[in-house]
This record gives sequence, C-alpha cells and structure tokens, in this order.
Amino acid sequence: GQQLNQSPQSMFIQEGEDVSMNCTSSSIFNTWLWYKQDPGEGPVLLIALYKAGELTSNGRLTAQFGITRKDSFLNISASIPSDVGIYFCAGKLAGNNRKLIWGLGTSLAVNP
Amino acid sequence: DARVTQTPRHKVTEMGQEVTMRCQPILGHNTVFWYRQTMMQGLELLAYFRNRAPLDDSGMPKDRFSAEMPDATLATLKIQPSEPRDSAVYFCASGLAQQGTGELFFGEGSRLTVL
Repeated sequence: GQQLNQSPQSMFIQEGEDVSMNCTSSSIFNTWLWYKQDPGEGPVLLIALYKAGELTSNGRLTAQFGITRKDSFLNISASIPSDVGIYFCAGKLAGNNRKLIWGLGTSLAVNP
Repeated sequence: DARVTQTPRHKVTEMGQEVTMRCQPILGHNTVFWYRQTMMQGLELLAYFRNRAPLDDSGMPKDRFSAEMPDATLATLKIQPSEPRDSAVYFCASGLAQQGTGELFFGEGSRLTVL
C-alpha cells in the first residue's frame, strides 16, 4: 500500500537539543497528523494540521503543513528524556477522506 | 477517563489455532479501525467500521481474518487458522466520523505470537 516517506528513520540526541523530522509524498494531502508511540502503548495524537502552510504548536512541539501539501515537518525544542519514542506522521489524501496513510516512524532516543 | 480497551494484551498460540481479539471503543465514537503493526510494514489498516458497518477491509487477508462489530461497544478481530506470519501487534482505534479528521484514539494493542 501507499506510504509516506518519513525521515530520519532514527535519531540519537543529547538532552536539550532540538529535533526535526519530516514526511514527504508525491501525492497531495489535505490533512497531516503527527502521533507519538511510547513502548508498549498505542500511538497518541500530538498535532493535527488541516491547511496548507499551517503552523501549529503543542508545548515544545511545532508542526507545519507544507505549502505544496506534499510534506509536513515536526520540530521538538529542548528535548527531554520523556520525548523518547517513535513519532509517526499520517495523512489523508486529497479526494479520499477515508483512509489514513502512515509513515514508518522516526525512532527518537534522548541521552540524559 | 475515556480510552479504547483491548483484550488480550498478550497472546501466544500455536499455528492453526483460532485467535480472537476484542476492542471496546470510546463511548460515543462511531468509527473503529483495526491496524496491524510490524517492524517491516509499520501500521497496516486491516478493517474500518463506521456506525458498525464495515466500510473497508481491503487490507485484511479474507481467507483467515474476519472483523465484526456485534454492537456499538464491541469490535472483534478473528484469525482462523493462525500462522506464524500473523505475529504482530494488533491495534484498535476509534474516532468520530463527523470530524472526518483522522484524529484517532488507539488502544494499548494486543501482541500476538504464533509459534
């Protein structure tokens, strides 16, 4: 099935550093969502984006809906140990309001 | 504290056995999704229900998998017979179709190991 290209696949950073990850596609999306999955848990929604160019923050997290509608970015500022987990992007294709398309995730490790 | 509840959390079974996973969606949610998560494939959609009606099960192997919603508070995913390649974590998620946003609430998952 169709998937989003999410990068990087994994990151290992020092506590306090900023983090950036992104998702790209050759298709146009009308919704972008960012989820975080902790070990042994299900994904939890962090940020939802509905409009091209939209920039939305949730605490230290900021996500943007790319202006071309083919990409999205998630930034985490001043990382802390509890940011550890797998971050997934997901999107809804323009014209298909039913299915979410998922990236394969970015695994984040934070060294205290 | 509204949450999606899944049982069992862990299941180890032998090849050929029947496996049934259950999900209680958040009260008031009218969409239910079953996903399978593996390292190689990530999150794969198996089935999607809206108002208890199956709308999309194209991602589900029909010969051995079946998904149902006997009532609004229960969704089931059954595998019969199970095979080692079915080993994965199975997630149930629920949401509100009216929003049409893709904002889903996931359960904690059922980790299945087929020997």
